[in-house]
Amino acid sequence: GAVVSQHPSRVICKSGTSVKIECRSLDFQATTMFWYRQFPKQSLMLMATSNEGSKATYEQGVEKDKFLINHASLTLSTLTVTSAHPEDSSFYICSAPFQGDYGYTFGSGTRLTVV
Amino acid sequence: QKEVEQNSGPLSVPEGAIASLNCTYSDRGSQSFFWYRQYSGKSPELIMFIYSNGDKEDGRFTAQLNKASQYVSLLIRDSQPSDSATYLCAVNPGFQKLVFGTGTRLLVSP
Repeated sequence: GAVVSQHPSRVICKSGTSVKIECRSLDFQATTMFWYRQFPKQSLMLMATSNEGSKATYEQGVEKDKFLINHASLTLSTLTVTSAHPEDSSFYICSAPFQGDYGYTFGSGTRLTVV
Repeated sequence: QKEVEQNSGPLSVPEGAIASLNCTYSDRGSQSFFWYRQYSGKSPELIMFIYSNGDKEDGRFTAQLNKASQYVSLLIRDSQPSDSATYLCAVNPGFQKLVFGTGTRLLVSP
């Protein structure tokens, strides 16, 4: 149980275009979704927290106008990377808590490459 | 000071040995602690969580927590080559957030 489906798994886009990443909770209601970014050989860095029906909370240094997060329903949260640049190339992972503070399930990740 | 610190490794152990992975954290108010395993190019997968001082065992894995020393460890008994991965320590400082360490790369040689 507690599965988060993340799509796409890989995407290559041109500089200046936008890319949308979706995370769906399949068998539970995800009122909160965390979005992480991971550069090669580095740890996961929290970018933002989305809550269903309200505005996302962004971590310091993360541009909210560049990384648009929408959490319109209890089962879907999306991250849109707008006007992508090569430095946005990274591994993006979503995660949702499902057992209070003791259970977090992760999506399978999206490898974004901006050329 | 980083919030969650781990030795980046690699930690090399022979097959069948015990691998010991360590993690320290800075926020004394942290509530729960997690160990994740991450294979290259994959998403993290939960191995164990612990929230009380002492040891917690699950199969070949034992998590140890010492809140006074702000220290968490993971022991892997009878290490297998398939255990070779990066192990991420994560701490919940509250508000359901997770703060990750940089991970320790474990190499188990046959």
